[in-house]
Amino acid sequence: GDSVTQMEGPVTLSEEAFLTINCTYTATGYPSLFWYVQYPGEGLQLLLKATKADDKGSNKGFEATYRKETTSFHLEKGSVQVSDSAVYFCALSDQGGNAGNMLTFGGGTRLMVKP
Amino acid sequence: NAGVTQTPKFQVLKTGQSMTLQCAQDMNHEYMSWYRQDPGMGLRLIHYSVGAGITDQGEVPNGYNVSRSTTEDFPLRLLSAAPSQTSVYFCATQQGYEQYFGPGTRLTVT
Repeated sequence: GDSVTQMEGPVTLSEEAFLTINCTYTATGYPSLFWYVQYPGEGLQLLLKATKADDKGSNKGFEATYRKETTSFHLEKGSVQVSDSAVYFCALSDQGGNAGNMLTFGGGTRLMVKP
Repeated sequence: NAGVTQTPKFQVLKTGQSMTLQCAQDMNHEYMSWYRQDPGMGLRLIHYSVGAGITDQGEVPNGYNVSRSTTEDFPLRLLSAAPSQTSVYFCATQQGYEQYFGPGTRLTVT
């Protein structure tokens, strides 16, 4: 079955540091890939997505590129802020991107940014 | 526009008790789902619905029931709570590629 593997956290960085959170996946078809973010005490919010190989998703300074050859979707940001402290989830959907998809989530990576 | 709402926010149950977690949405989305979140395991799908009157099982359905009589509401029922059901529960809707999550219900079973 489908699976998503993320690097374990917590990841602790100083403000303005470069961030990478690794994500690799296993899927039978051609999945769509997502990064969700969960701020303390809240539900998950979609951060960015990519629906086909070589697509780059980006939002709020975060980027991730869909690499089919390495089955990866690593999250990067050039300069993190304290407000980026949250838990980040990589996820995939293997049903073509239409309504009714089921998401498979990674275990989540907690990011802590210190001033 | 409230989005996805969940009640209660917190609940403590004794083993064997039953309860219903409520989920409501005002976005007219057909697809709704329930997840549980456990440390280090991400979110796991419990049940989902692609429209009123239609429900199906996800990855971890045992011990949970759902029904979908209206587009707006998708309650999750625990028939006989067990300590293994201690978790944070999230309801979500979907439109296109994006899922919209509620704020969650933290459930403790003693």
